Amino acid sequence: DGGITQSPKYLFRKEGQNVTLSCEQNLNHDAMYWYRQDPGQGLRLIYYSQIVNDFQKGDIAEGYSVSREKKESFPLTVTSAQKNPTAFYLCASSVDRGEEKLFFGSGTQLSVL
Amino acid sequence: GDSVTQMEGPVTLSEEAFLTINCTYTATGYPSLFWYVQYPGEGLQLLLKATKADDKGSNKGFEATYRKETTSFHLEKGSVQVSDSAVYFCALSFLANQAGTALIFGKGTTLSVSS
Repeated sequence: DGGITQSPKYLFRKEGQNVTLSCEQNLNHDAMYWYRQDPGQGLRLIYYSQIVNDFQKGDIAEGYSVSREKKESFPLTVTSAQKNPTAFYLCASSVDRGEEKLFFGSGTQLSVL
Repeated sequence: GDSVTQMEGPVTLSEEAFLTINCTYTATGYPSLFWYVQYPGEGLQLLLKATKADDKGSNKGFEATYRKETTSFHLEKGSVQVSDSAVYFCALSFLANQAGTALIFGKGTTLSVSS
């Protein structure tokens, strides 16, 4: 079955540590996205990528980094510069940047120890 | 800037009750409008969409009509079930020339249905 897989489901970060969240899709979608979900604040866009080897900052990119070396993979690194990383992170993909229907993964809950 | 405003929750209903979740938007053009649903511990799923004024999106008994005159896209269902308990997000999008934003989401409305 096609879909988006995020791992791990739960992740803990120590102070000053970088952590990487995985996102893999086998839908053959060109566009991929990372959103952050905080209680009562809805979803906010961190980064998006339209094609391999290209990505753009979203509304809250500070303290995060991404790469898009393969079409099916779009990992997100939460760096030590992100001072408030505790949140639920959602990865999504769409056929292309102009396609508005997003397919979401099941999310990763990141917490700070 | 563009934004989406949803009614605050939680919304608590008994099974078979009528549901309305209000959503209004602010946009400089004519966006497409969406309702996404998030079940506990899961990602979001597209519930329904409308791409132009007066369009009605529908799915699984839910409906929403794109009202340009009132800039609204309210979600309705005539008879809710316990399995409808989830968080519902209203969203809008623009195609192209919109750097940095794929979809703009509302804050979400939690629906809890009891039997």
